Amino acid sequence: AQSVAQPEDQVNVAEGNPLTVKCTYSVSGNPYLFWYVQYPNRGLQFLLKYITGDNLVKGSYGFEAEFNKSQTSFHLKKPSALVSDSALYFCAVRGSNSGYALNFGKGTSLLVTP
Amino acid sequence: DVKVTQSSRYLVKRTGEKVFLECVQDMDHENMFWYRQDPGLGLRLIYFSYDVKMKEKGDIPEGYSVSREKKERFSLILESASTNQTSMYLCASSSYLGAASRDNQPQHFGDGTRLSIL
Repeated sequence: AQSVAQPEDQVNVAEGNPLTVKCTYSVSGNPYLFWYVQYPNRGLQFLLKYITGDNLVKGSYGFEAEFNKSQTSFHLKKPSALVSDSALYFCAVRGSNSGYALNFGKGTSLLVTP
Repeated sequence: DVKVTQSSRYLVKRTGEKVFLECVQDMDHENMFWYRQDPGLGLRLIYFSYDVKMKEKGDIPEGYSVSREKKERFSLILESASTNQTSMYLCASSSYLGAASRDNQPQHFGDGTRLSIL
């Protein structure tokens, strides 16, 4: 079985400060990890993915994520937050021994204040 | 740019009705998915399809069926709508690059259909 946990329902950060949105996972086999963002009344947009290789993955809009195998984590980061980053963020995982489907976390609401 | 189009943004139906949600993608993707999104529960997979006329149950298929007669179109059917099916429904598609990559390609989502069952 595979699962994803996003331990924080909401993250608040001031504009210009670094942000972190946390994600931990459990899979069978090697993990394939994804981050998506959802703006109000829109579908999910792909930000970045980790399949193999470098543990630090860079994605869209200045976001990056660090894969940590020993801690089974894949935290999303950005060095300097923007008000426009305020949105709902989803972590998703699929194990190499699993089928086609991704498992999504419950989402973390990010609020960046001016 | 990939475009996934869901036929309705908002839909209101009555209990017991048969409801059709349509999804079309324009990138010749092999894989298509239907999710429902509820506050505090995230996204839950209802059904997915990896080829025309092929379908697989997801985590919550009860009360739903799907149809994929053409590669670009994936329909979700609520056989007899109930109030607990009031939700946001999201369709997604992804490409398949062969067994070595499995489903490592990102999924592209439509803007969703907010369905209310009265």
